[in-house]
Formats: sequence, structure tokens, C-alpha cells
Amino acid sequence: DVKVTQSSRYLVKRTGEKVFLECVQDMDHENMFWYRQDPGLGLRLIYFSYDVKMKEKGDIPEGYSVSREKKERFSLILESASTNQTSMYLCASRELGRRAGELFFGEGSRLTVL
Amino acid sequence: GENVEQHPSTLSVQEGDSAVIKCTYSDSASNYFPWYKQELGKRPQLIIDIRSNVGEKKDQRIAVTLNKTAKHFSLHITETQPEDSAVYFCAAINSGNTPLVFGKGTRLSVIA
Repeated sequence: DVKVTQSSRYLVKRTGEKVFLECVQDMDHENMFWYRQDPGLGLRLIYFSYDVKMKEKGDIPEGYSVSREKKERFSLILESASTNQTSMYLCASRELGRRAGELFFGEGSRLTVL
Repeated sequence: GENVEQHPSTLSVQEGDSAVIKCTYSDSASNYFPWYKQELGKRPQLIIDIRSNVGEKKDQRIAVTLNKTAKHFSLHITETQPEDSAVYFCAAINSGNTPLVFGKGTRLSVIA
């Protein structure tokens, strides 16, 4: 079974704090993704990575950065958290391939910024 | 880029009835259309997918249909059960290395 593990299920942070959300996958997948999930807005892509040390902006990258120093780990960083970043954050991974394949999600990290 | 519209946003059905969720996409080059189910408090998981070379695919009580000419695809759930209650997301993609583009989701409630 593919396992995508997010380090924190629930976090509460204060405005202006730096926040790290960690994601680790154990299936040697090349592609990794960070999505943000808000009611009525679905799953919105923040950043993705095709492979180690590679990163691409998604649809809503403002206020976020990412790091992929190792293949299995993809970190999402909020340099200075703001209240509008209160949300559920989902990490996902997928095998590289010419044909698209299944996306495997982590359990999610619910972040509250006060 | 690709844009996926999903309807309805909420759907309530009686147990045993059928449920249909519809999605439209904008990029005619899209060729892979998965559906994900997210139960309350859990991660989204793939339940069925279809590629552009087929028009319909079934897996027990769920089926997906694809109309490439009209650029829409639908999820059909027959004989609904309470455990089908969840949020369902459709998605589209045009190559193996681009991100999935998701619809906004449909909250399905199956009333016993």
C-alpha cells in the first residue's frame, strides 16, 4: 500500500509565524503535490514537484514556498502565516509516467492561524 | 489551461435511488478523467477513472461515462447506500506529468 504521511494533523499558529508542513511518501514517486482544500472551492493546487529539487507553481502559490531536497519528502512553507491561510492542506504523490495515474493523498493537515 | 466545472454542488438521494454527478472540461486534449471520493475526515481516494479511448466504464455499482465531443463526463452510482455519503471530486488531465485539475466537488448525502 502506498503511504503518504503528513507530519501534523492539526496545527494552531499565530499570525506572522513561520509554518512548516511536512509530507513523506514511501513509494519512490517522482511527482508530489500540495493542495489546499476549502469548503465550496474544492482542491486548489499550491505547488508541485516533478522530481528532487524541482518545483513548479500551481494556481495559488502566493504566500507559500516549497522544498524538495529528497525524493520522498516535500515540504510546504508558510513564511509568515496569515489568517486567510487557515485551511486543510493535502499532500499527494504520483508515479511519473507518460500516461496519468492514480494520485495518492495524505490524511491532511488542518491549519488554524489566529 | 484546463478548467473543470462540476454539478451539482450538493445532492441528496434516498437510499436505493441512483445518483448522477456531472462534469465538463475545457481542454479538448485532456485524456484522463478520474473520480475521487472523500469521506468525512478522510483523505480523497480514487474510485474509478476513464481514459479518452473508451466511452463508459463500470465497477459494480459505480460507472463513469465520457462524451469527448461535448467535453463532459459523469459519475453514476446505482442502488445508493449510506456509506456512499461523501464528497466526490472529478478531475481531468492531458498528460502524465501535468497536475490534475479538479472540480469543486459534490457533497452526496444518502438518506436511509
